[in-house]
Amino acid sequence: NFMLTQPHSVSESPGKTVTITCTRSSGSIASYFVQWCQQRPGSAPITVIYENNRRPSGVPGRFSGSIDSSSNSASLTISGLKTEDEADYYCQSYDSSNENVVFGGGTKLTVL
Amino acid sequence: EVQLVESGGGLVQPGGSLRLSCAAFGFTFSNYAMQWVRQAPGKGLEYVSAISSSADRTFYANSVKGRFTVSRDNSKNTLYLQMDSLRAEDMAVYYCVRDRGGYCSGGSCYPGSWFDPWGQGTLVTVSS
Repeated sequence: NFMLTQPHSVSESPGKTVTITCTRSSGSIASYFVQWCQQRPGSAPITVIYENNRRPSGVPGRFSGSIDSSSNSASLTISGLKTEDEADYYCQSYDSSNENVVFGGGTKLTVL
Repeated sequence: EVQLVESGGGLVQPGGSLRLSCAAFGFTFSNYAMQWVRQAPGKGLEYVSAISSSADRTFYANSVKGRFTVSRDNSKNTLYLQMDSLRAEDMAVYYCVRDRGGYCSGGSCYPGSWFDPWGQGTLVTVSS
């Protein structure tokens, strides 16, 4: 079993770029794809990145994802921040040892 | 439009039972594995359970194993979660999700971790 660790919160100004990290505790981050979902207050989550770096249709190109094997982590980068990006962001991946999905603890993004 | 609509949430006493349903629209339900994810008030997302597209395999988080049962009726395009022996810590919004990750083999598709779409959620309150 492994854990995905995210910073509890990040903040940045409109128009700037922010990166949220997701570090895998054991095993390789490249073992299984990483997804990112966005949850605005009072709403259900939506996926903004799948398969490490792919964007579903309808998600702006300002959202991008990557993985870094050297730090065993995944990253979500949002450029040209807008106030509407203010939300909780969760990373998720698959744990083959117990055939379960693992979620990170979530990162609250504040755009101010 | 691809859509998932959950129902069946409500107030239940500790030790009680509840069955959640998730109706699927706009896609071929029988081609996809499906999952349940929950979120306790003010907390993060937690995996609950998954089921393959043909229902030949089911999967559970340790926290619900032996108490919850996932099932599906592909003729009705509906996913279910039977929750028994409910505890206070089961109180949460329960989301139904279509799984677009995983792999397909032998006529069934098995869960991965790419969820799209998510349902709107149904609230389960466990309290006396």
